[in-house]
Amino acid sequence: QVQLVQSGTEVKKPGASVRVSCKASGYSFTSYIIHWVRQAPGQRLEWMGWINAGNGNTKYSQKFQGRVTITSDTSASTVYMELTSLRSEDTAVYYCARVGGITVPGLDQWGQGTLVTVSS
Amino acid sequence: EIVLTQSPGILSLSPGERATLSCRASQSVSGSCLVWYQQKPGQAPRLLIYSASSRATGIPDRFSGSGSGTDFTLTISRLEPEDFAVYYCQQCGSSPLTFGGGTKVEIK
Repeated sequence: QVQLVQSGTEVKKPGASVRVSCKASGYSFTSYIIHWVRQAPGQRLEWMGWINAGNGNTKYSQKFQGRVTITSDTSASTVYMELTSLRSEDTAVYYCARVGGITVPGLDQWGQGTLVTVSS
Repeated sequence: EIVLTQSPGILSLSPGERATLSCRASQSVSGSCLVWYQQKPGQAPRLLIYSASSRATGIPDRFSGSGSGTDFTLTISRLEPEDFAVYYCQQCGSSPLTFGGGTKVEIK
């Protein structure tokens, strides 16, 4: 079955960077786009960016431009999201999610989420 | 960016009742690219409806979506115990993707 499995909980100090991984299985990795979405405590879901796992093209939210980098490793069927210059407001659960495709333009498969806590 | 406003914030209903959730966009959503998700505590969101009115695979037919332009609705015809959760709308018609603030459907 289709699965996205994310790396574990991270605790970081302000100013540090974090890299979260998202390993895909059960489908053709290079045929889909993967998005990253975060959810701060009590807040709405917030889109960060996406990557076309097939050709590596990316698009980022202007809010995170310059601080976020999304990459993919096709040999490992894994997508990575790196966020730099962390601040307390970046404390959130970070999700990777797959777009269902041209005919299903929603996020149809989600990772389990990775809690990133930023605290001094 | 398109701002999505969901109402009501909290909906208190009993099992078997009908739930009507609203999602209003600050500008027209291109291609009716409007999606609904269900999220339960400690879980990732689950895709319910895409393209405003198409049910995702495996979603029961008590869930239905409608609307176009700036006004969209998610209806749950008869609430089952497992339907009590938070529901989010999301637009995918223009960048950046944006989400609504959510409607919590709670047991009355």
